[in-house]
Amino acid sequence: GQNIDQPTEMTATEGAIVQINCTYQTSGFNGLFWYQQHAGEAPTFLSYNVLDGLEEKGRFSSFLSRSKGYSYLLLKELQMKDSASYLCAVTDSNYQLIWGAGTKLIIKP
Amino acid sequence: GAVVSQHPSWVICKSGTSVKIECRSLDFQATTMFWYRQFPKQSLMLMATSNEGSKATYEQGVEKDKFLINHASLTLSTLTVTSAHPEDSSFYICSASVGGADYNEQFFGPGTRLTVL
Repeated sequence: GQNIDQPTEMTATEGAIVQINCTYQTSGFNGLFWYQQHAGEAPTFLSYNVLDGLEEKGRFSSFLSRSKGYSYLLLKELQMKDSASYLCAVTDSNYQLIWGAGTKLIIKP
Repeated sequence: GAVVSQHPSWVICKSGTSVKIECRSLDFQATTMFWYRQFPKQSLMLMATSNEGSKATYEQGVEKDKFLINHASLTLSTLTVTSAHPEDSSFYICSASVGGADYNEQFFGPGTRLTVL
């Protein structure tokens, strides 16, 4: 079966750094997405990785290791507005998007 | 660019009535549109995938006769919840994809919150 694992919930302090991990087992791989979703709102795109390595975009970075079936989203200089759920999603060999359950990130002052 | 709208943003209806939700890609042509449902504190659950001009593909466990999807054009897809019941109350989100073989980012609409009394 296809499976995406990410922690259910994480807590971090404003101004700090947090890393949200995602591991996947899918039938094929054609890219990995990270989305941010605030409560009561639709997801918004954060990043896309298809090759191994680190993609940096401002305070957010995303890393991918295809051989390990592993990715992480790194958030730096955390702000209160970063409190949200972060969804990991993988495109399989049929270009179907397989979604993780999401990680709820709680930022404390 | 890549804006997707949904209408209505919220709706309250009586049990037994039907509700139609529209999803539009405003500034691009969407090869594929997706309909999701999300219950409180849970992740997105894909209901169906639709391509313009063809029948939607429903996920296992989703009743196609209850959740009618019409994808009449490259910019519009509609989801009709027929004979709605309180258990259908949820957050319904559509997304649209340009498609292509190597990158299929989905652009999400703002969602529609359905409450069935």
